[in-house]
Amino acid sequence: EPEVTQTPSHQVTQMGQEVILRCVPISNHLYFYWYRQILGQKVEFLVSFYNNEISEKSEIFDDQFSVERPDGSNFTLKIRSTKLEDSAMYFCASRTDSNQPQHFGDGTRLSIL
Amino acid sequence: QKEVEQDPGPLSVPEGAIVSLNCTYSNSAFQYFMWYRQYSRKGPELLMYTYSSGNKEDGRFTAQVDKSSKYISLFIRDSQPSDSATYLCAAEDNQAGTALIFGKGTTLSVSS
Repeated sequence: EPEVTQTPSHQVTQMGQEVILRCVPISNHLYFYWYRQILGQKVEFLVSFYNNEISEKSEIFDDQFSVERPDGSNFTLKIRSTKLEDSAMYFCASRTDSNQPQHFGDGTRLSIL
Repeated sequence: QKEVEQDPGPLSVPEGAIVSLNCTYSNSAFQYFMWYRQYSRKGPELLMYTYSSGNKEDGRFTAQVDKSSKYISLFIRDSQPSDSATYLCAAEDNQAGTALIFGKGTTLSVSS
């Protein structure tokens, strides 16, 4: 069964450094998402992306964050200058259209030191 | 405010028990309701996806949505130790945006 894949599974970064999290959505999906889950808390929406542009973003998704679909298969989340509070699991999700469910990857655990 | 509330548990049951997991929500614009299962250090895995009110069954799992009371449920029949996981309910309004709003998750433990 097709699945969303995310790399790396674990990223350790010094505070203030830039980090890029990578995702390969399911191949025929058109809508892409990033969510995060801080340990012990809810899964929170960050951003959605469709037709090569951001369609919605949350208050969490400030100027430190950006997303890109650099080619036909990858979808990336960049955090420009990481903070301690960015430590979380980051999940990528995708779906075929807005009437279908979102499918999630296994996440990248981001640890900021 | 968009909120989905879920009792975090933990919930412990013996193998074979019927499990009932519940969520409430406040936004009457929510149209789609989902249940995801999440194992430790893994991503949410879709279990059930329903539109509007009613029941949906898939094997041992039944999802129920009551929009009049803003209540969503997941029933697991003949629970197995492999069902031990965290269960997340989620909803979306599918209007201006397509963001899922998640509950905090209920941790279920099924003992053999």
